[in-house]
Amino acid sequence: QSALTQSPSASGSLGQSVTISCTGTSSDVGGYNYVSWYQQYPGKAPKVMIFEVNKRPSGVPDRFSGSKSGNTASLTVSGLQAEDEADYYCSSYGGSNNYVVFGGGTKLTVL
Amino acid sequence: EVQLVESGGDLVQPGGSLRLSCAASGFSFNSYAMNWVRQAPGKGLEWVSYITDSGSIKYYADSVRGRFTISRDNAKNLLYLQLNSLRDEDTAVYYCARVLRYCSGSSCYPLRFDSWGQGTLVTVSS
Repeated sequence: QSALTQSPSASGSLGQSVTISCTGTSSDVGGYNYVSWYQQYPGKAPKVMIFEVNKRPSGVPDRFSGSKSGNTASLTVSGLQAEDEADYYCSSYGGSNNYVVFGGGTKLTVL
Repeated sequence: EVQLVESGGDLVQPGGSLRLSCAASGFSFNSYAMNWVRQAPGKGLEWVSYITDSGSIKYYADSVRGRFTISRDNAKNLLYLQLNSLRDEDTAVYYCARVLRYCSGSSCYPLRFDSWGQGTLVTVSS
């Protein structure tokens, strides 16, 4: 069982928006603004899309945005494109005992 | 260009041992903390271990603490993971990943895993 909880699947039509949530506790997501989101295609290494809750690395489209409220972080993908279909994982600082914790992942399907 | 290349994955029997390596290039390896992250077949990502740039501080996930050991050789730009007492549930692709951190006082917080290797497969089976 993953430390952070994500819905296994999400879907949206081309051009629409979809939001993926990630729920933790006050010891991880709720306690720190060190939440990241990773995109992973089958057979490939993950790629960071969002860090520190809502910051985008250079090269990541501004269609990707992040937010946090209490113990739940969210990733929103706007203007869905076919290439957004992938698995998405959240992660958070989990304290010195569990340095990083990941969510179980959400498979995003673009209809 | 940052490059991380893992090696050492293999088929090993339960109770066996293995050493994974990650060769780093394209950046000042001795200036960055590093991690191992694994992914079981068809499953999600699981953080395994972290080591500071100097190698002085190491953290482990509960699932591997006492069985796995992370280390690094900054002169050779190599990161290692020694896997002992392997179990079926250790079967996974193991990725090495560079972490960008924010440090305040004696505490360092992970901002993001910004570079990943392609992974090496460890299969534990009799």
